[in-house]
Amino acid sequence: GAVVSQHPSWVICKSGTSVKIECRSLDFQATTMFWYRQFPKQSLMLMATSNEGSKATYEQGVEKDKFLINHASLTLSTLTVTSAHPEDSSFYICSATPPGEYNEQFFGPGTRLTVL
Amino acid sequence: AQSVSQHNHHVILSEAASLELGCNYSYGGTVNLFWYVQYPGQHLQLLLKYFSGDPLVKGIKGFEAEFIKSKFSFNLRKPSVQWSDTAEYFCATKAAGNKLTFGGGTRVLVKP
Repeated sequence: GAVVSQHPSWVICKSGTSVKIECRSLDFQATTMFWYRQFPKQSLMLMATSNEGSKATYEQGVEKDKFLINHASLTLSTLTVTSAHPEDSSFYICSATPPGEYNEQFFGPGTRLTVL
Repeated sequence: AQSVSQHNHHVILSEAASLELGCNYSYGGTVNLFWYVQYPGQHLQLLLKYFSGDPLVKGIKGFEAEFIKSKFSFNLRKPSVQWSDTAEYFCATKAAGNKLTFGGGTRVLVKP
């Protein structure tokens, strides 16, 4: 099956700093990647859709200036949490989908962010 | 907007017991339904999916799900669970743009 990786797997940072999370599709090209956020004991909430070569599409309520998404290539999307605060602490998960409407999403292992 | 609800937040059962997890979706046109599993410390994996055709869908690891249009349901079943089935299970539906909407998840604990 297709493999999606995320880096780092966990990160601890100080309040006010920025953190970059990478999502890579290892064995397929992904024109679209998705970023989710999962709070403890809760479900995944879609944050944004990352499209290669164009601006990301953010879900309602997600601050685009705080969560910067860059999809510079067909195998890499990055999520940067800018000026992170403790309430941004969460589990961030990306998924990637190969071209085609009915292709499934393949999920990365997630990145746990803790903001002190 | 499409939505998905899962009835049970936590399920505890013994090995060899049968498992059924409820999932209901709101109708939004074309129905694409999924069940994902998240084992402790691991990423989400697809168990099975329904797009059209036979409403009884067979998945991996002995799981199956039945799409009942009249009930807007897509319940997940396994006749005999194992300790290794301890995980969190998510029902999801796909909307336009290939976006997934997840249910709240059900944590399943299988006692050995």
